[in-house]
Amino acid sequence: ETGVTQSPTHLIKTRGQQVTLRCSSQSGHNTVSWYQQALGQGPQFIFQYYREEENGRGNFPPRFSGLQFPNYSSELNVNALELDDSALYLCASSLELGLSYNEQFFGPGTRLTVL
Amino acid sequence: AQSVTQLDSQVPVFEEAPVELRCNYSSSVSVYLFWYVQYPNQGLQLLLKYLSGSTLVESINGFEAEFNKSQTSFHLRKPSVHISDTAEYFCAVSPLGAGGGADGLTFGKGTHLIIQP
Repeated sequence: ETGVTQSPTHLIKTRGQQVTLRCSSQSGHNTVSWYQQALGQGPQFIFQYYREEENGRGNFPPRFSGLQFPNYSSELNVNALELDDSALYLCASSLELGLSYNEQFFGPGTRLTVL
Repeated sequence: AQSVTQLDSQVPVFEEAPVELRCNYSSSVSVYLFWYVQYPNQGLQLLLKYLSGSTLVESINGFEAEFNKSQTSFHLRKPSVHISDTAEYFCAVSPLGAGGGADGLTFGKGTHLIIQP
């Protein structure tokens, strides 16, 4: 069973640029969530995708957007990068079964540095 | 909305000594409670969870946590720590019924557990 993978591992961008981060869900999982973890902070929920549609969103501006593909892999896109976007971005996948609780499995993250 | 407070940013403890990492939460609705562990340069791993039933939950590697509804706490304990327990520990909550899904998990800022030989 393959776990959650993310690419790239590290990324350096300059302010104003755009970035795309990628996530491959754990085998059999149909739901993906993205989190931002700033240095010294806990992860913050960005949004969740279920069956290729955004299913929930945290307190992040519209320049944070995402996609989920038919194979349940996912992308996080951030436009007009700001210095405060520097963080570890975590992807988590789960299997939505209509139950009240579905465990999320996290990938190793992509560390984004904005200069 | 939910919030999670981990009062201790760092907890140094000697090897084989007991440890308690504190977690308090605030929520207007009932919640599920979780502890995650993050080793250096790795993602988060679920350590243990409280969904319902017995308020004392245990992990396979000797950690336990007790849900206290009246004190809105979910403190993590281990009677004897090892060097390999050195990591960042995060307490998290999600609203009942969401399963950490559409509303996401709300995390605390984390506690760095430092094991001294």
